[in-house]
Amino acid sequence: GGIITQTPKFLIGQEGQKLTLKCQQNFNHDTMYWYRQDSGKGLRLIYYSITENDLQKGDLSEGYDASREKKSSFSLTVTSAQKNEMAVFLCASSKRDREDEQYFGPGTRLTVL
Amino acid sequence: QQQVRQSPQSLTVWEGETAILNCSYEDSTFNYFPWYQQFPGEGPALLISISSVSDKKEDGRFTIFFNKREKKLSLHITDSQPGDSATYFCAASTGSFNKLTFGAGTRLAVCP
Repeated sequence: GGIITQTPKFLIGQEGQKLTLKCQQNFNHDTMYWYRQDSGKGLRLIYYSITENDLQKGDLSEGYDASREKKSSFSLTVTSAQKNEMAVFLCASSKRDREDEQYFGPGTRLTVL
Repeated sequence: QQQVRQSPQSLTVWEGETAILNCSYEDSTFNYFPWYQQFPGEGPALLISISSVSDKKEDGRFTIFFNKREKKLSLHITDSQPGDSATYFCAASTGSFNKLTFGAGTRLAVCP
């Protein structure tokens, strides 16, 4: 078994602020993902990484940067937080070529004032 | 453009009834369809999945029915329990390394 840890659990920011979310996994999975979840809109892929130092853009990458510092960690930066933005950011991981079986963390809930 | 559609948006059933959650897709290259279950405050978790070579997949009280010709599938939850109350996401992939495309989800409430 394994676990995905996301920090922080709650994040409150100001408009225009740069905010960083962190994710750690101990599954020893190659691939990691960042999703944004908005109410009623499902999960939208922001970035994914198939190995250390690899980055691939998803459907929603504009306004975000990501970094895969090592196999077990994947961070996401909101480059300029938008006023009244509220969403949950979910990190996930999977074995290489098993993107159908993703393991998710509990999420970071972002509120921008 | 929403490639994976789910209906209804929300569903309420009584304990013991069968809940039916629907999913349809547009891209004919999709060939693998996992369903994820998400409880409030948690991340989604893989519940059951089916590939396009099958028309039915069963796991306990959860069954996926798949109609390739109509590009539709459904998740049936028999003998629904209050603990099944969650949001269910239908997802799709093309099988080779590619991202999952998620539907918007169906929120299921099972009343005791």
